[in-house]
Amino acid sequence: NAGVTQTPKFRILKIGQSMTLQCTQDMNHNYMYWYRQDPGMGLKLIYYSVGAGITDKGEVPNGYNVSRSTTEDFPLRLELAAPSQTSVYFCASSRGQGGEQYFGPGTRLTVT
Amino acid sequence: AQSVTQLDSQVPVFEEAPVELRCNYSSSVSVYLFWYVQYPNQGLQLLLKYLSGSTLVESINGFEAEFNKSQTSFHLRKPSVHISDTAEYFCAVRSTRGAAGNKLTFGGGTRVLVKP
Repeated sequence: NAGVTQTPKFRILKIGQSMTLQCTQDMNHNYMYWYRQDPGMGLKLIYYSVGAGITDKGEVPNGYNVSRSTTEDFPLRLELAAPSQTSVYFCASSRGQGGEQYFGPGTRLTVT
Repeated sequence: AQSVTQLDSQVPVFEEAPVELRCNYSSSVSVYLFWYVQYPNQGLQLLLKYLSGSTLVESINGFEAEFNKSQTSFHLRKPSVHISDTAEYFCAVRSTRGAAGNKLTFGGGTRVLVKP
């Protein structure tokens, strides 16, 4: 199994541009998550999903959108990128409510 | 709601010396507790977890953590560190209940730098 994969690894955006961060897992996990990691702040949950067709907001959802059309994929959309969205983004998945979360390698995004 | 405080943002330590990383949490409900490790330029990996039972939990690479309910702490220790332990360590909690149990709340992280 590849586990959780994320693309791209790095990206630079100009203010106002949009992009989609891709996340795929091959473990047949129901639950998937998007976090952002800022220095000294730990990880903050952006959105999560408990199954295909179901998504919900985390702590810091503003400026982001998600969809979950399949069990495997959980893309994160940034519309109108802002410098405050410069961060490292991690996708994670887990089997169920009590399951361990498995993390992808991250996407480093810079907005200038 | 929960919050997690990691009291040290950086901990320099010499190889073969002991290390302790402190973690305190606040929660109005019972929680599960976790330590994750992030090696340079990688994602997070689960190091160990406390769900129930013995309050002392161990990892396969020599780390241990003790859950102290009265002090709401889950400090991580290793008696003798290696250069390869250089990483950032995150403490996290999750409610044991309902839909909120899906979500992890992380501390700010402690960066461990092991010096030869």
